[in-house]
Amino acid sequence: DQQVKQNSPSLSVQEGRISILNCDYTNSMFDYFLWYKKYPAEGPTFLISISSIKDKNEDGRFTVFLNKSAKHLSLHIVPSQPGDSAVYFCAASPDDKIIFGKGTRLHILP
Amino acid sequence: GAGVSQSPRYKVAKRGQDVALRCDPISGHVSLFWYQQALGQGPEFLTYFQNEAQLDKSGLPSDRFFAERPEGSVSTLKIQRTQQEDSAVYLCASTRQGEYTEAFFGQGTRLTVV
Repeated sequence: DQQVKQNSPSLSVQEGRISILNCDYTNSMFDYFLWYKKYPAEGPTFLISISSIKDKNEDGRFTVFLNKSAKHLSLHIVPSQPGDSAVYFCAASPDDKIIFGKGTRLHILP
Repeated sequence: GAGVSQSPRYKVAKRGQDVALRCDPISGHVSLFWYQQALGQGPEFLTYFQNEAQLDKSGLPSDRFFAERPEGSVSTLKIQRTQQEDSAVYLCASTRQGEYTEAFFGQGTRLTVV
């Protein structure tokens, strides 16, 4: 049973526009969430995180929004750049482990 | 090096062969994790160490999988009598002490069982 769900396997966005990646989770006890980015043949790299006491965290072009009542979070990238093309994993860290979603492949179109 | 280092990067094993995958975490990182990532899937948790203590091994898929970290630094994931379904990328990650810290991942070992 998937505790962290990314329902869109892929997403294509025009360069310069906003990319929005979505993630849902099932356990209301989760209190810390992370986004990782992964290029082919490399390990995931940490992008941005948010704790449940906040509903928004911003870092440059990347903003993560958390809606606790809906158990939903989203990652906004604006403006999207060609180097943003990668697989993005949403993750929750309830205790001693990090639980990942299946990922969304983002394609930035020229 | 400054990051998490895994070796080998690629491993081809014949079915039934034993394999050992190595992880060198970031120096000073207390916690170490192993994940398995099958094609098209997200990383799946295998096991977790805090220093040399294996605190959680609930994700190990069978008793053919064994992990150790005897001195609280380098870790080895061993898979005995490999099967085709063991083919995956095995990722190692480490974190510094404390809650709510991000994990730093190595590049992974791609295991192919033929």
